[in-house]
Amino acid sequence: DIQMTQSPSSLSASVGDRVTITCRASQSISSYLNWYQQKPGKAPNLLIYSASGLQSGVPSRFSGSGSGSYFTLTISSLQPEDFATYYCQQSYSTPYSFGQGTKLEIK
Amino acid sequence: QVQLVQSGAEVKKPGASVKVSCKASGYTFSTYYIHWVRQAPGQGLEWMAIINPSAVTTTYAQKFQGRVTMTRDTSTSTVYMELSSLTSDDTAVYYCARDAFMVRGGRTYYYMDVWGKGTTVTVSS
Repeated sequence: DIQMTQSPSSLSASVGDRVTITCRASQSISSYLNWYQQKPGKAPNLLIYSASGLQSGVPSRFSGSGSGSYFTLTISSLQPEDFATYYCQQSYSTPYSFGQGTKLEIK
Repeated sequence: QVQLVQSGAEVKKPGASVKVSCKASGYTFSTYYIHWVRQAPGQGLEWMAIINPSAVTTTYAQKFQGRVTMTRDTSTSTVYMELSSLTSDDTAVYYCARDAFMVRGGRTYYYMDVWGKGTTVTVSS
């Protein structure tokens, strides 16, 4: 099974900050990497697919990059509604594993 | 619009089974696979299984093999997930999600683009 590891596990930042979250796979997964945002009590919401594709309706301040086993999610200028938990997920092979999550909190 | 509507919360005793439904609308049911993902209280997301509604093929995470069964009813565009031999560790919110795909550079990429709101399953004696 492929293990996904995110860092950091939690992060404090201010509105307007630029933030980067990293995700590493235990083996190469090409670009089969997705990012989701989850707010408390809500279902996850797709942000980025295939490592760098911006899902329709997602603000352009979100971007993804990487391939192989190293990936990043960047938020260029944090907005109040961005404080949430973020998960990466590989779709290279089943079981389609998630990272443990990165909780983004207000500083 | 595309929607996945899940059944309501369940409370079960240890050893029992639970069956959660996920009704799709707004798209051709047989075209997209459906995932099940769960989230224990205060924990992260855990992938459980995937079903191809048209071919009724399923893939389950090893952890749930023998305890989980996914089925579908094409007449109502509904997918079901049944989990048996419940323990307190199965207390979680269970989500269904549609498996969307796109083709780029000769490869097909998969991602979960639409999610149900979740079904809370509580296992308690």
